[in-house]
Amino acid sequence: KAGVTQTPRYLIKTRGQQVTLSCSPISGHRSVSWYQQTPGQGLQFLFEYFSETQRNKGNFPGRFSGRQFSNSRSEMNVSTLELGDSALYLCASSKTSGGTDTQYFGPGTRLTVL
Amino acid sequence: AQSVTQLDSQVPVFEEAPVELRCNYSSSVSVYLFWYVQYPNQGLQLLLKYLSGSTLVKGINGFEAEFNKSQTSFHLRKPSVHISDTAEYFCAVSVEGAQKLVFGQGTRLTINP
Repeated sequence: KAGVTQTPRYLIKTRGQQVTLSCSPISGHRSVSWYQQTPGQGLQFLFEYFSETQRNKGNFPGRFSGRQFSNSRSEMNVSTLELGDSALYLCASSKTSGGTDTQYFGPGTRLTVL
Repeated sequence: AQSVTQLDSQVPVFEEAPVELRCNYSSSVSVYLFWYVQYPNQGLQLLLKYLSGSTLVKGINGFEAEFNKSQTSFHLRKPSVHISDTAEYFCAVSVEGAQKLVFGQGTRLTINP
């Protein structure tokens, strides 16, 4: 079974630009969560989508948004990029959305903002 | 709200020695507990999780963890480590009804030959 895939793996953008990251979950998984990993703040939850609906949201500004499609694939968008948005963005998928289900992580997209 | 504290940011040990990585959590409601490992330039991989039942949980690669409700701890142990265990280890919690993990800051485990 294929794992979680994220594209692209690396991105370089400049301040003020916007970026879209993509995540394809494991087949049959309906929940997709996004996390930001930085050396200073560690791993922080961004949001979770289940059956095309945002179920949970972390404490991030509105510049961070996401969506999920009917095939469970998900995208996250960051508008008006800031230097502090440089991070590894991890996507995780699970079968359900109840809190007990194992989340399977992708390799991440490393975003560098110059 | 939940929070997780990993008491050691770095743990150096010699190969074949035992290791314990410490994790404490804070929550006003019952939590589910997880340990993940991250190898360089990779995503996170689940080592083990505690949902309910026996407080001693066995995971992959010879790791185990014990849930202690009174001390709000979930320490990870391995009786004999290998060079290949060099990685960063993250303790995390979630709560019922929310597929959201709250992570600790991570512990970097370094194995010396």
